[in-house]
Amino acid sequence: EVQLVESGGGLVQPGGSLKLSCAASGFTFSDSAIHWVRQAPGKGLEWVARITRKTYNYATTCAASVKGRFTISRDDSRNTGYLQMNSLKTDDTAVYYCTRDPGTAGADWYFDLWGRGTLVTVSS
Amino acid sequence: QSALSQPASVSGSPGQSITISCSGTSSDVGRYNLVSWYQQHPGKVPKLMIYEVSKRPSGVSNRFSGSKSDNTASLTISGLQAEDEADYYCCSYAGSGTGVFGGGTNLTVL
Repeated sequence: EVQLVESGGGLVQPGGSLKLSCAASGFTFSDSAIHWVRQAPGKGLEWVARITRKTYNYATTCAASVKGRFTISRDDSRNTGYLQMNSLKTDDTAVYYCTRDPGTAGADWYFDLWGRGTLVTVSS
Repeated sequence: QSALSQPASVSGSPGQSITISCSGTSSDVGRYNLVSWYQQHPGKVPKLMIYEVSKRPSGVSNRFSGSKSDNTASLTISGLQAEDEADYYCCSYAGSGTGVFGGGTNLTVL
């Protein structure tokens, strides 16, 4: 089955860290770019970060709201993507989705496969 | 990067057509043909409906269509059905390897 499965969410105190994982199966993970998109409770979608495939040097970018705090990475040998989140704030509370981008041009900027998401709650 | 601007809500009767707008700037929607649209039912995962402004993924009904004019993209749903009731989000490449979503539009089928 073609799918993405996120894990690693949970409750963390402000200032804390968390590392999310995104396990891919059913397709050639290394051929795709990977993005993380989040959704705060009752709110809209927000793009968080992107990593391209090897062909494009695993280039990474992230939203201004998380720059310097979040790092996206991937391990193609494990078919897994990651999002390391440091210095977490209450505003980071959201469901975090891992998404697939066909990445034929580095990143095609559309998300044709989504995981079910993992909830991150930042609270004291 | 500011969020793209979408109407908070739209509504229509079964069989009618509705259009949801997505307003950006000359730095995102106006500059790149990399606009996509997503449908999200309550409690569900977003689903890709349109990519690269007007392309439809396999399996998406041809009642859904996309277009763009200057800095505004649009999603049109024709022959409205009860199952179309959901939230809809646009997304655009915004340059420098970043993306931006719209605030979302809640579609009600009357």
